[in-house]
Amino acid sequence: AQTVTQSQPEMSVQEAETVTLSCTYDTSESDYYLFWYKQPPSRQMILVIRQEAYKQQNATENRFSVNFQKAAKSFSLKISDSQLGDAAMYFCAYRRNQGAQKLVFGQGTRLTINP
Amino acid sequence: EAQVTQNPRYLITVTGKKLTVTCSQNMNHEYMSWYRQDPGLGLRQIYYSMNVEVTDKGDVPEGYKVSRKEKRNFPLILESPSPNQTSLYFCASKGQGAYNEQFFGPGTRLTVL
Repeated sequence: AQTVTQSQPEMSVQEAETVTLSCTYDTSESDYYLFWYKQPPSRQMILVIRQEAYKQQNATENRFSVNFQKAAKSFSLKISDSQLGDAAMYFCAYRRNQGAQKLVFGQGTRLTINP
Repeated sequence: EAQVTQNPRYLITVTGKKLTVTCSQNMNHEYMSWYRQDPGLGLRQIYYSMNVEVTDKGDVPEGYKVSRKEKRNFPLILESPSPNQTSLYFCASKGQGAYNEQFFGPGTRLTVL
């Protein structure tokens, strides 16, 4: 079974600084997707960024980028120029590319932005 | 507006009193699923449905039922709720195609006393 591990329950960063959230996963599949979701206090689940496993290039979305290390099964999220609105719970998630579309989530990392 | 709706958003109930949390999507998605979110555990899948009349268990199905009689609706049923089902519940839907993302509902906070 696939598992996703986020080893940092909480992180904090100064506004305008850069922070990296860690995620590791375990799977025997070769074709899959990885995601980072943001959950602000409103509880809404917001997709931040996705990475297709067969793509070597790391995904980027504005201030958000990932470091995808397929061999190491590592998928970290870097937030540049942190803003107060980035404060939230962040979840790393995995999904196979075939069959059932289940998302397997990590435990979450609560990110605090210090002004 | 494309969206997944859930009702109710908040519910406090007592042990053993049957309840249903409704979920509806307006995107004509084939795939729908339910997750529960608990502190330190992230989100875990309860049940999912690949299409109308096709449902299957996820990772934590005990104590829950679902049905998919219409494509747009996927209700979650707790026939005899217990305190360990106190949680935050999310419904999600996804269209066909590997690249398509899952759309999540706003969540339902359930407390079972």
